Amino acid sequence: KAGVTQTPRYLIKTRGQQVTLSCSPISGHRSVSWYQQTPGQGLQFLFEYFSETQRNKGNFPGRFSGRQFSNSRSEMNVSTLELGDSALYLCASSLLGGRESTDTQYFGPGTRLTVL
Amino acid sequence: GENVEQHPSTLSVQEGDSAVIKCTYSDSASNYFPWYKQELGKGPQLIIDIRSNVGEKKDQRIAVTLNKTAKHFSLHITETQPEDSAVYFCAASRRSGGSYIPTFGRGTSLIVHP
Repeated sequence: KAGVTQTPRYLIKTRGQQVTLSCSPISGHRSVSWYQQTPGQGLQFLFEYFSETQRNKGNFPGRFSGRQFSNSRSEMNVSTLELGDSALYLCASSLLGGRESTDTQYFGPGTRLTVL
Repeated sequence: GENVEQHPSTLSVQEGDSAVIKCTYSDSASNYFPWYKQELGKGPQLIIDIRSNVGEKKDQRIAVTLNKTAKHFSLHITETQPEDSAVYFCAASRRSGGSYIPTFGRGTSLIVHP
């Protein structure tokens, strides 16, 4: 079974631009979560989508947004990029978002975003 | 909000030794505690988890213990091997909107010397 895939793997942008990252979950998984990983702040939860609805949102500014499509694929968008947005952006999928004891969350390899 | 402290930040052991990583959390509403292993260039991988109604869970060389009263949980790896070298993250998660929202520790870099 194919794992979580993220595209692109690497991205370089300049301040003020916007960026869209894509995530394809494991087949059959309906929950997709996004995380930001930086050396300074560590791993932080951005938001979670389930059946095209945002169920939860972390403590990030409105410049960070996302959506989920009917096939469970998800995109996240960051507008008006700042230097501090440079990070590894990770996507993770699970069947239901961890509600059941056997519902494991699987991470993708991440998209490395560099803002110059 | 939730705050998770993880110690140590770096742990160096000889192959065959045991390794212990400890985490404390602040929010008593947290009731799901996963541990992740992250190798260079890869996303985190769940290695073991524990829910708040259980005090200990074991899976081969890996075990996790939870003390809800003291709000701390630990990862134990026995008979370490060089391939165990990686960064390990703990997380404390609470239920929200039908799913779990995690707060992560800062990570422990485990180095296993052959």
